[in-house]
Amino acid sequence: NAGVTQTPKFQVLKTGQSMTLQCAQDMNHNSMYWYRQDPGMGLRLIYYSASEGTTDKGEVPNGYNVSRLNKREFSLRLESAAPSQTSVYFCASSLRTGVNEQFFGPGTRLTVL
Amino acid sequence: GENVEQHPSTLSVQEGDSAVIKCTYSDSASNYFPWYKQELGKRPQLIIDIRSNVGEKKDQRIAVTLNKTAKHFSLHITETQPEDSAVYFCAAIGGGSEKLVFGKGTKLTVNP
Repeated sequence: NAGVTQTPKFQVLKTGQSMTLQCAQDMNHNSMYWYRQDPGMGLRLIYYSASEGTTDKGEVPNGYNVSRLNKREFSLRLESAAPSQTSVYFCASSLRTGVNEQFFGPGTRLTVL
Repeated sequence: GENVEQHPSTLSVQEGDSAVIKCTYSDSASNYFPWYKQELGKRPQLIIDIRSNVGEKKDQRIAVTLNKTAKHFSLHITETQPEDSAVYFCAAIGGGSEKLVFGKGTKLTVNP
């Protein structure tokens, strides 16, 4: 089992460009999450999907959109990238929300110039 | 909503010493407290967790304690080794909430 996978690993964008970060899990988990990690700020939740067909905002949703494509895949889209979105993005999944271990993907390092 | 404070932000110990990282939370309904370890350039991974109906949990050299009255929980690492060097994150989730809230992390350095 690959667990949680993310593509791409690295990306450089110019201000105003758009891109989609892809995430997939093969653990038959119901819930998936997108976090961003900035130095000294810990992991902050951007959006999550408690189950297929649902998505909800997290702590820092502005500037992002998400799509739960199916049970396995959860994508994060930046419509018009800004330098403030330079960060490391982690996707995670869990059997369900609440009291359940979250499994993280390897991360995507995004730089917006 | 839930707020998690973590201290210290950096911690340096000698190999073989113990390390303690402390977290406080704001929501008295929180009922699940995991700890994640993130090695440099790697993904966060769960190392231990505790639920609100338990006061202490141990797994070899790692232990977590929970004080619900004071709303704080701590990670204890004994006999530290260089491979324990990493960033450690505490987290909490409130009763009925779907969102795990993380502390800002503690960078632990174990000096040989």
